[in-house]
Amino acid sequence: QKEVEQNSGPLSVPEGAIASLNCTYSDRGSQSFFWYRQYSGKSPELIMSIYSNGDKEDGRFTAQLNKASQYVSLLIRDSQPSDSATYLCAVTNAGGTSYGKLTFGQGTILTVHP
Amino acid sequence: GAGVSQTPSNKVTEKGKYVELRCDPISGHTALYWYRQSLGQGPEFLIYFQGTGAADDSGLPNDRFFAVRPEGSVSTLKIQRTERGDSAVYLCASSLYPGTGAQYFGPGTRLTVL
Repeated sequence: QKEVEQNSGPLSVPEGAIASLNCTYSDRGSQSFFWYRQYSGKSPELIMSIYSNGDKEDGRFTAQLNKASQYVSLLIRDSQPSDSATYLCAVTNAGGTSYGKLTFGQGTILTVHP
Repeated sequence: GAGVSQTPSNKVTEKGKYVELRCDPISGHTALYWYRQSLGQGPEFLIYFQGTGAADDSGLPNDRFFAVRPEGSVSTLKIQRTERGDSAVYLCASSLYPGTGAQYFGPGTRLTVL
């Protein structure tokens, strides 16, 4: 079992729709959760961080965390063609020698079509 | 403000050669991380520096890989006797707060070993 799992997609949504991206993780000690956006040929760009159960909203983005189910998601409202990218889920915990290390999923490719 | 910078942006070398990749973190960030990303995969952790010391080098694949951060700022990743399997994008990230803090990535160095 991979430590962080994402559906690789591609996920295709029409412009203006809600895109829903999901991620599960195996380490119950995980404490911090991040979503990165990566355009083709570019490096990952941080778009959301979440540390406690519940929802966190930032503009068109909402991150949702459920530690009991070991599940984190990202919702993108009013999707735009410029949102087309690979979305990477990453988790970290503060325990032992893994302090600070990010563990990434393989990423979900999102395509928003006009 | 200035983000994380990495040089060179591209490096082509021959099998068996030695290479150095440089990372200059965001000013004031004490935590520095190196990751490696292969096509279609999420970044994989290599090494983490807190200040000048390598706090976690568990991701280095073998003893051909070595990294330093002598003054607690700029870091250099060194690869000896390069192999074709070392070809990847090498990413550097820095964080203000080590452990659970968000990490910000540089543009990466694309290494190609012929």
